[in-house]
Amino acid sequence: SQTIHQWPATLVQPVGSPLSLECTVEGTSNPNLYWYRQAAGRGLQLLFYSVGIGQISSEVPQNLSASRPQDRQFILSSKKLLLSDSGFYLCAWSVGLNTEAFFGQGTRLTVV
Amino acid sequence: GENVEQHPSTLSVQEGDSAVIKCTYSDSASNYFPWYKQELGKGPQLIIDIRSNVGEKKDQRIAVTLNKTAKHFSLHITETQPEDSAVYFCAAIVNNFNKFYFGSGTKLNVKP
Repeated sequence: SQTIHQWPATLVQPVGSPLSLECTVEGTSNPNLYWYRQAAGRGLQLLFYSVGIGQISSEVPQNLSASRPQDRQFILSSKKLLLSDSGFYLCAWSVGLNTEAFFGQGTRLTVV
Repeated sequence: GENVEQHPSTLSVQEGDSAVIKCTYSDSASNYFPWYKQELGKGPQLIIDIRSNVGEKKDQRIAVTLNKTAKHFSLHITETQPEDSAVYFCAAIVNNFNKFYFGSGTKLNVKP
């Protein structure tokens, strides 16, 4: 069966420090991969999505970047965190077109 | 891009009553509409979905209806239970694209 791993679960980082969040999917090949951000009490904002290795589409201009070095690995990064980067970050995957997405358990990032 | 609006933002019902959450979408090319339930501190979980060739789908106490002409779809939960308390998100995906557009979420509180 397919599973998605996302870590760490919580992270407290100072302003100006770098960020690296990792997401891996098991049990499937060539998944579509997504990074979403959820501010407190808010909806899900799509940050990046990828349909293949090295193929990244950015939805909104921001202080973050994403990379997909392997088929089932998706990384969210920042060189210098801002206070506004705080939030709940969710990785998700789907396969094919017009099918459901499955979410990881999320990373709670607090920038202090 | 697609724009999904969701109402209400909060909903409080008595245990055993029904709950209805409504969403509208803007892109007539959207053809897949999943609903997700998110419990506190966790990633969203798919609870039901509907495709544009179907008007209604039911799974035990949960049902979803779709009106393509009006571009709106709704989630119906009957005989609500305290464990139904969570945040619910609707989403739409445009045909042959892989991006999920989410509504802003509805916080459902079922009072025992």
